[in-house]
Amino acid sequence: GDSVTQMEGPVTLSEEAFLTINCTYTATGYPSLFWYVQYPGEGLQLLLKATKADDKGSNKGFEATYRKETTSFHLEKGSVQVSDSAVYFCALRGGSSNTGKLIFGQGTTLQVKP
Amino acid sequence: GAVVSQHPSRVICKSGTSVKIECRSLDFQATTMFWYRQFPKQSLMLMATSNEGSKATYEQGVEKDKFLINHASLTLSTLTVTSAHPEDSSFYICSAKGEEAGYTFGSGTRLTVV
Repeated sequence: GDSVTQMEGPVTLSEEAFLTINCTYTATGYPSLFWYVQYPGEGLQLLLKATKADDKGSNKGFEATYRKETTSFHLEKGSVQVSDSAVYFCALRGGSSNTGKLIFGQGTTLQVKP
Repeated sequence: GAVVSQHPSRVICKSGTSVKIECRSLDFQATTMFWYRQFPKQSLMLMATSNEGSKATYEQGVEKDKFLINHASLTLSTLTVTSAHPEDSSFYICSAKGEEAGYTFGSGTRLTVV
């Protein structure tokens, strides 16, 4: 079945450092790909998405490119801030399932220190 | 934008009692509702999918008699954890999908069974 794999966390960075969180997926068909962010004690918020190969999603300085050839959707940000500290989830929808459900990776905790 | 209100945000209950969690779509009609469960430092696991007016479809391994889902209207879905036990302690999150709106998550409910 479809699946999403993220890099292990936690990722600890200093403020203004460059961020990469790796995400790879396994899916049949043509899934849409997402990054969600979860701040402590809160639900998930959509950060960005891409619906087809070579699309780049971007929001709040974060970006990720849908790479079908490497089945990847790595999240990047050029300069992180303390306020970016949260858990980041990579997810896919579509693929072999038409139910509309999201399949999530295990989440990566980002800690940004001042 | 689309908003989903989830209540309560936190609940502590005694073992053997039942707890109801509500999710309301405030400014759109949620034709489909997804219920997820999240264990500490783990990803979200889909429990069930419900369409308004229909019985919920449960994921493999989820006890439908224990986790009762009702989606009687286009703006309200409830999850009832019946005869709760400490192992049911978790973070429960709903996600609503409307015809026009994307997938909007509630803020989550932290259930602690003592």
